[in-house]
Amino acid sequence: NAGVMQNPRHLVRRRGQEARLRCSPMKGHSHVYWYRQLPEEGLKFMVYLQKENIIDESGMPKERFSAEFPKEGPSILRIQQVVRGDSAAYFCASSRGRANYGYTFGSGTRLTVV
Amino acid sequence: TQLLEQSPQFLSIQEGENLTVYCNSSSVFSSLQWYRQEPGEGPVLLVTVVTGGEVKKLKRLTFQFGDARKDSSLHITAAQPGDTGLYLCASIQGAQKLVFGQGTRLTINP
Repeated sequence: NAGVMQNPRHLVRRRGQEARLRCSPMKGHSHVYWYRQLPEEGLKFMVYLQKENIIDESGMPKERFSAEFPKEGPSILRIQQVVRGDSAAYFCASSRGRANYGYTFGSGTRLTVV
Repeated sequence: TQLLEQSPQFLSIQEGENLTVYCNSSSVFSSLQWYRQEPGEGPVLLVTVVTGGEVKKLKRLTFQFGDARKDSSLHITAAQPGDTGLYLCASIQGAQKLVFGQGTRLTINP
């Protein structure tokens, strides 16, 4: 399967716990983007990363959220001390280069905070 | 940030009917992409339009980019239940950041 792989597909966390969402980009893609989608809404940009670098994090909440894309391994979106408002679908996308060619999205991780 | 306005927000029609959905902005798009998202899945790229006045066809789907590159439309002919989904337009802003409209949620009833 050469697509964008996200895991887990579903994640349940209690308030105050940490959530770690993983994304493996398509083979040959070195650009990774994270988006959040609330029910019945469009996708909101969170962060854009290249290997070992955060390029644009203008959509990331200032606290509790962080992202990384290490030299080896998947990209990780980390949410500390989750609250009910963090419940959403989180999508990762990757591209080879310029976004003009379009992104390839993963199937998402649905985070539920109870 | 350039805002993308999609209309209508919701559309429910019968199988076999035609429909058009729209994506508008007050600013010029450098290019525009259309995606379709099915429940429980990520969006899938349908088409990219770049040139003002450009028309692209994908089977029963026709995409048009306005002459002034400030608007785009998606027309579906003889809609089928398999066309049901969330249709999103998106434009590139800043350093490769793709910004989405809020989407048109389309339901085709058998």
